[in-house]
Amino acid sequence: EVQLLESGGALVQPGGSLRLSCAASGFTFGHHGLSWVRQAPGKGLEWVSAISGAGGNTYYTDSVKGRFTISRDNSMNTLHLQMNSLSPEDTAVYYCAKARGWDGSGIYALDVWGQGTTVTVS
Amino acid sequence: HSALTQPASVSGSPGQSITISCTGTNSDIGAYNYVSWYQQHPDKAPKLIIYDVTYRPSGVSDRFSGSKSGNTASLTISGLQADDEADYYCSSYTASSTPVLLGGGTKVTVL
Repeated sequence: EVQLLESGGALVQPGGSLRLSCAASGFTFGHHGLSWVRQAPGKGLEWVSAISGAGGNTYYTDSVKGRFTISRDNSMNTLHLQMNSLSPEDTAVYYCAKARGWDGSGIYALDVWGQGTTVTVS
Repeated sequence: HSALTQPASVSGSPGQSITISCTGTNSDIGAYNYVSWYQQHPDKAPKLIIYDVTYRPSGVSDRFSGSKSGNTASLTISGLQADDEADYYCSSYTASSTPVLLGGGTKVTVL
């Protein structure tokens, strides 16, 4: 069974840092791009960041560029999101999601999602 | 402000068909056949129900169908059922440094 399990969410003060992780199983990890998508309380989904299968290409939404860093360890089947300079606007449930493809247009469709981890900046 | 525009809400009676629109530009929806749709029930993770405009992942009911015309994509739910009551999000690819666009979401209510 394909599974994604996020961890690392917490309550953090404004200006603080947090590192989210996502452990994957059940598929060939390095063959798929991965994304982080967040959802603020009572709001819609917001795509945050993506990384290609090999990790060579990374993508970010404008509001997190320069503050967040996505990375992956294909030997450990793990995805990470390092979040710095956090603000209350970053408060959300953060989902890890697997892309159907490896990179480029293959990363937009997300076919497996984790259960989410909650980040509260206050 | 979302990159893709969806109606805030759509409703229908059981058994009816409803359609949700998703409007983008000629740089995203209009440029590629890369549109996906997600269903999200309250307090649950989203679920992919349509990708590449018209394709359904294995296990997704054929009551869900997708289409596209110009810069607008559509999701149709036929034979509406109580369990279809959820939020629906469209997504598109665009060739940029922010390649994944999402709509603001549409709340579907089954009357």
